[in-house]
Amino acid sequence: DVKVTQSSRYLVKRTGEKVFLECVQDMDHENMFWYRQDPGLGLRLIYFSYDVKMKEKGDIPEGYSVSREKKERFSLILESASTNQTSMYLCASSPGVWQPQHFGDGTRLSIL
Amino acid sequence: SQQGEEDPQALSIQEGENATMNCSYKTSINNLQWYRQNSGRGLVHLILIRSNEREKHSGRLRVTLDTSKKSSSLLITASRAADTASYFCATPRNTGANSKLTFGKGITLSVRP
Repeated sequence: DVKVTQSSRYLVKRTGEKVFLECVQDMDHENMFWYRQDPGLGLRLIYFSYDVKMKEKGDIPEGYSVSREKKERFSLILESASTNQTSMYLCASSPGVWQPQHFGDGTRLSIL
Repeated sequence: SQQGEEDPQALSIQEGENATMNCSYKTSINNLQWYRQNSGRGLVHLILIRSNEREKHSGRLRVTLDTSKKSSSLLITASRAADTASYFCATPRNTGANSKLTFGKGITLSVRP
């Protein structure tokens, strides 16, 4: 089975901090994704990567950046955390952009 | 607006009953996918139906696709309390090489024991 592992289930940070969310997949998938999920808004795509060192902005990239130095690892970076970035963050991977996505269990991030 | 929109937003049924959830979308697609999310967890892929398929089954799940009406339905037969979850449909945003999936806002299904 594909396993997508997110480094933390719960995280509390302070406003202005630089925050790193890590995601690792073990199935050699080309594509990896970062979403945030908020009540009433569903899943919104922040960034995705279709190859090592390649990235593309999603719908809400402002305030975020990403890094993909190795195929199995995709990191989401909050450059200067703000309270409106409090959310559930979900990482996913897939062998192709239209193929089924495999999700991690999410990181519930609170910015105080 | 959303490419895929589910209906209803919430559904409450008794264990053993069937649950029907609907998804409508706006543009041409090559496939449509359904996912489940248990509370506090990530999404789990349930089933993918291609645009040239009309119906697909997986265990107690039955998915239909009507491309003329741009709609899909997910039927869960003989529901169980463990089916309590949120259900999402997802569609490719366009047919381009780097097209992404767009997820609807989800349907909250509650199955009462």
